[in-house]
Amino acid sequence: AIQMTQSPSSLSASVGDRVTITCRASQGIRNDLGWYQQKPGKAPKLLIYGASNLQSGVPSRFSGSGSGTDFTLTISSLQPEDFATYYCLQDYTYPYTFGQGTQLEIK
Amino acid sequence: QVQLQESGPGLVKPSETLSLTCSISGGSISTYYWSWLRQAPGVGLEWIGYVYYTGSTNYNPSLKSRVTISVDTSKNQFSLMLSSVTAADTAVYFCAREANMGDSDWFDPWGQGTLVIVSS
Repeated sequence: AIQMTQSPSSLSASVGDRVTITCRASQGIRNDLGWYQQKPGKAPKLLIYGASNLQSGVPSRFSGSGSGTDFTLTISSLQPEDFATYYCLQDYTYPYTFGQGTQLEIK
Repeated sequence: QVQLQESGPGLVKPSETLSLTCSISGGSISTYYWSWLRQAPGVGLEWIGYVYYTGSTNYNPSLKSRVTISVDTSKNQFSLMLSSVTAADTAVYFCAREANMGDSDWFDPWGQGTLVIVSS
């Protein structure tokens, strides 16, 4: 199975900060990568698909980039509701696999 | 819009079979792939497998010997069975729709999740 490695595993930031989370695949996955946000006790929510396509209804401060093995999720100006855990997911080949998550905390 | 809801026992004894059902409202189960995923406490997310409305399936090799996912189009539901469970199968189980556009796939929407504890 393809291994997905996220960094950092946790991150402290302030409202208004620009934040970047990275995800690295153990082999090339083209642009077959999505980003999800999960809040405690809730299901994950799709933010980005196809590495850079913003899901309908997701604020434009979220953006994704990358191709091949290296990907990034950027939040341009953190809002209070953005403090959550973020996961990448490769949908290049089954079994689809997630990164271990990045917990974004308030500084 | 499409909504998913998991249901089933919250407590299962070791060595027994875990059974969950996902009910779909606001849309038809026909077309799309329908998946089960899980999240063990403090651990990340794991894709278990999917079923297509025709009944075809695909499972995670790590669980393949113990998993069965089936579909009931008349009830607009799909189900998960996981046999010979151990404490390691304790997790929140989610059902989700797998949508796609071109080569991109994604899970959306998701059910709210249901906690299943394996304990005697």
